[in-house]
Amino acid sequence: SQTIHQWPATLVQPVGSPLSLECTVEGTSNPNLYWYRQAAGRGLQLLFYSVGIGQISSEVPQNLSASRPQDRQFILSSKKLLLSDSGFYLCAWGGQGTQPQHFGDGTRLSIL
Amino acid sequence: GENVEQHPSTLSVQEGDSAVIKCTYSDSASNYFPWYKQELGKRPQLIIDIRSNVGEKKDQRIAVTLNKTAKHFSLHITETQPEDSAVYFCAASLTGNQFYFGTGTSLTVIP
Repeated sequence: SQTIHQWPATLVQPVGSPLSLECTVEGTSNPNLYWYRQAAGRGLQLLFYSVGIGQISSEVPQNLSASRPQDRQFILSSKKLLLSDSGFYLCAWGGQGTQPQHFGDGTRLSIL
Repeated sequence: GENVEQHPSTLSVQEGDSAVIKCTYSDSASNYFPWYKQELGKRPQLIIDIRSNVGEKKDQRIAVTLNKTAKHFSLHITETQPEDSAVYFCAASLTGNQFYFGTGTSLTVIP
């Protein structure tokens, strides 16, 4: 069966520090991969999605970037975090066509 | 692009009553509509989905209906229980590459 791993679970970072969040998927090949951010009590904002290695689509302009160095690995990065980057970051994977997305357990990021 | 609207934003029901959450979408080509349940501090989890070639789907106390002509779909929860309390998100997908989520409905089931 397919599983998705996301870490760390929680992270507290100072403003201006770098960020690296990692997500890996097991049990499937060539998945679509996604990064979402969720502010407290709010909906899901799509940040990036990828349909293959090295292929990244960005949905909103921001100081975040994403990379997909391997088929089942998706990384969210920032060179300098802002206070507004605080939130709950969710990685998801999905199949092709009419298949659902499945979410990881998320990373709760607090910026001080 | 696709635009998904979800109503209501909050919903309170008595235990045992039914709850209905409605979503509308703008792109008539969207063909896949999942529903997710998110408990506080947890990840969204798929609870039911429907494809555009089907008008209704049921799984125990949960059902989803789809009206392609009107471009809306609804989640129905019958015999609600306190553990149904959560935030529910609808979504619409066209190609499977991108999912467009509604803004969520916070459901509270009062014992």
